[in-house]
Amino acid sequence: ELKVEQNPLFLSMQEGKNYTIYCNYSTTSDRLYWYRQDPGKSLESLFVLLSNGAVKQEGRLMASLDTKARLSTLHITAAVHDLSATYFCAVLFWSGSEKLVFGKGTKLTVNP
Amino acid sequence: GAVVSQHPSRVICKSGTSVKIECRSLDFQATTMFWYRQFPKQSLMLMATSNEGSKATYEQGVEKDKFLINHASLTLSTLTVTSAHPEDSSFYICSARSGQGLKAGNTIYFGEGSWLTVV
Repeated sequence: ELKVEQNPLFLSMQEGKNYTIYCNYSTTSDRLYWYRQDPGKSLESLFVLLSNGAVKQEGRLMASLDTKARLSTLHITAAVHDLSATYFCAVLFWSGSEKLVFGKGTKLTVNP
Repeated sequence: GAVVSQHPSRVICKSGTSVKIECRSLDFQATTMFWYRQFPKQSLMLMATSNEGSKATYEQGVEKDKFLINHASLTLSTLTVTSAHPEDSSFYICSARSGQGLKAGNTIYFGEGSWLTVV
């Protein structure tokens, strides 16, 4: 079964703090995506991770991929209020056809 | 700017009628498109994967006769919700990927989404 598990599902943190969101997946894949969703909106692409050991950074967000452990992390450094949103990881699987399967999402609230 | 355009962004329809949602890739050829529905405060549920020129692959539990997907060209896929009922009310989102196989694009772009309300 194709599964993508994300944790935590809810994250409340203070501005200036660091935290990590985890994304585990069930079956081999070489493409993992991180998206951001604001309330009532569609998804904004954050990162595409293509290979084992890949690390990408944009501002206060850094994503990494370990394909052997089937684990990706999204690290938040010195959080600011503007980062409040729901973050999804999604994994591209092949199972007869391509399937982009999403985790349940992590709702991040950054408090002043 | 948006590279995947979805239309309409909001639609209200009466029970029993059908409604079509369009998804267009604006500056690339989308060999593969994915259709999702999202209930409030939940994740995206994959409904089907559509490939240009072939039948869509539906996920288990998704009625193919109710949710008709057509991917007739490399820039357009449509989702038609037939005989809509209030329980079909949801946020529907399409996404598109360029290329195929080894030439497949790495980024998957999402449309703006369509809010469907069935009354």
